[in-house]
Amino acid sequence: GAVVSQHPSRVICKSGTSVKIECRSLDFQATTMFWYRQFPKKSLMLMATSNEGSKATYEQGVEKDKFLINHASLTLSTLTVTSAHPEDSSFYICSAAKTSGFAGELFFGEGSRLTVL
Amino acid sequence: RKEVEQDPGPFNVPEGATVAFNCTYSNSASQSFFWYRQDCRKEPKLLMSVYSSGNEDGRFTAQLNRASQYISLLIRDSKLSDSATYLCVVRHASGGSYIPTFGRGTSLIVHP
Repeated sequence: GAVVSQHPSRVICKSGTSVKIECRSLDFQATTMFWYRQFPKKSLMLMATSNEGSKATYEQGVEKDKFLINHASLTLSTLTVTSAHPEDSSFYICSAAKTSGFAGELFFGEGSRLTVL
Repeated sequence: RKEVEQDPGPFNVPEGATVAFNCTYSNSASQSFFWYRQDCRKEPKLLMSVYSSGNEDGRFTAQLNRASQYISLLIRDSKLSDSATYLCVVRHASGGSYIPTFGRGTSLIVHP
């Protein structure tokens, strides 16, 4: 099956610092990647849709200046949490589809657990 | 009303039992439907797509009712390894992409 790699899997940082999370599709090209965050015992909440070569589309309530998304190539999207605060602590996870159609399976990265002290 | 709703459970069943989960969605323009499985602190993985005619994969059967806007998952002969959270996923077209919306998941615990 397709592989999506996410890095780092775990990061602890001080309040006020920025953290970058990478999402790579290892064996396929993904024109679209999705970024989510998940709180304990809650559903995955879509943060933004990342399209290669264009600006990300953010969901309502997600600050685009806070969560910077860059999709510079067909195999790499990055999420940067800027000036992180304790309330940004969460599980961030990306997914990518091999095909652009609606029936395409989504492949998920392993997730990145961010803890902001 | 949430876009995709699931009973969070937990469903606590003995090995060998049959268990069913439902999921309702609010967007009538939704075009594709899936069940994903998520183990604790892991990423979701596709269990099965859900087709209009219903489909089966071993012990798992999925059904879609477009008129009532719900999908279901039936697990027969439950195994201990089936213990996980089952996520209902619905995709609809928006801005050139097919946006996936997740339910909060239904927790299944299979005990000996």
